[in-house]
Amino acid sequence: SQKIEQNSEALNIQEGKTATLTCNYTNYSPAYLQWYRQDPGRGPVFLLLIRENEKEKRKERLKVTFDTTLKQSLFHITASQPADSATYLCALGGGSSASKIIFGSGTRLSIRP
Amino acid sequence: GAVVSQHPSWVICKSGTSVKIECRSLDFQATTMFWYRQFPKQSLMLMATSNEGSKATYEQGVEKDKFLINHASLTLSTLTVTSAHPEDSSFYICSANPLGATYEQYFGPGTRLTVT
Repeated sequence: SQKIEQNSEALNIQEGKTATLTCNYTNYSPAYLQWYRQDPGRGPVFLLLIRENEKEKRKERLKVTFDTTLKQSLFHITASQPADSATYLCALGGGSSASKIIFGSGTRLSIRP
Repeated sequence: GAVVSQHPSWVICKSGTSVKIECRSLDFQATTMFWYRQFPKQSLMLMATSNEGSKATYEQGVEKDKFLINHASLTLSTLTVTSAHPEDSSFYICSANPLGATYEQYFGPGTRLTVT
């Protein structure tokens, strides 16, 4: 069965450092991968999308890589700030329905001052 | 732009009653909307895909007679939890896929359902 793993349930890092989150998947050939931010009691907010033929995408302090051979995506936040503390979700799409996405379990990121 | 609203934001109901949750795309049209359920400290689990003017497609293990979905217009989908039980208590989130945009999804703020 399809499986998406974000292999850190929680990650604590010092402000100013780079946070790196990992998303691995099995039994899936996604057309694209997305990263979302979710704050407690709120819906997810879209951050970045990367397609299967793209290796890397950047947006301000965010960088996403996508390795379809390793079946892995890395999500980096550079110069992290306490305001970046949230749960980050990866999601895969492009299966039976092009717009349908399946979420990973999420990583709770805490940035300490 | 691309705002999705949900109503109500929270609801408490008695066991055995039904609850309707609305999902609206405020500034765009959406042919497809999705309904998710999220339990505490868990990820979002897709319940069903809702297409305007047609029957919803439910994920494996989701009872279609218990979770009724209606997508009557390009800006509104509703989820009705029928004969609610305490185990249905959860955070329900919808998302909308804009017309003509395959990969984009915009999420609502969620509805907290508590069944007593």
